[in-house]
Amino acid sequence: GAGVSQTPSNKVTEKGKYVELRCDPISGHTALYWYRQSLGQGPEFLIYFQGTGAADDSGLPNDRFFAVRPEGSVSTLKIQRTERGDSAVYLCASRSEGTGDEQFFGPGTRLTVL
Amino acid sequence: AQSVTQLGSHVSVSEGALVLLRCNYSSSVPPYLFWYVQYPNQGLQLLLKYTTGATLVKGINGFEAEFKKSETSFHLTKPSAHMSDAAEYFCAVISGGSYIPTFGRGTSLIVHP
Repeated sequence: GAGVSQTPSNKVTEKGKYVELRCDPISGHTALYWYRQSLGQGPEFLIYFQGTGAADDSGLPNDRFFAVRPEGSVSTLKIQRTERGDSAVYLCASRSEGTGDEQFFGPGTRLTVL
Repeated sequence: AQSVTQLGSHVSVSEGALVLLRCNYSSSVPPYLFWYVQYPNQGLQLLLKYTTGATLVKGINGFEAEFKKSETSFHLTKPSAHMSDAAEYFCAVISGGSYIPTFGRGTSLIVHP
């Protein structure tokens, strides 16, 4: 595709429910990042994939959060037993080569936990 | 460790006036530096970046930034603000050897007619 896409654009769920957020990166981009952006804050790193493997998941806040990228393209961020504090915009970005290269961001998924 | 400080959560300018958004970073090794812009309900878009070479970097939409190692700064400027520049601006740093960028908290640019 032309850019990074994320689905759904908005997700409203109830406390305690399970949610999945999907990211389709730019074709051919081997690096994929997930971030969380709270109101009035910059993106906060969650996890970084190089290919199919999670190269760095040090930003995941706890074991309720998990992400996969089984074929090295599409990635899914999974949140179990959602809490109200999980409400935020979840951004995905992909990058082609080196760390000095541009990250291309998707429009984000706005998650609201009631 | 790396960190980014953006001074001023909001900057207000008149249309046609100089835009100056401040970014200071800390990094133990030579950094890569980025400025991104975010319009409402959209993802971040790269304005410009510094990796190596010339310290004055020109980006899209007339923006530029200068890497000043002695001041650990990477301030963003534009000579003449346009109404369409109103957005949130984020500075980010990646230290050499890392793959993970650290973003500042952002500066909201407000442009008055």
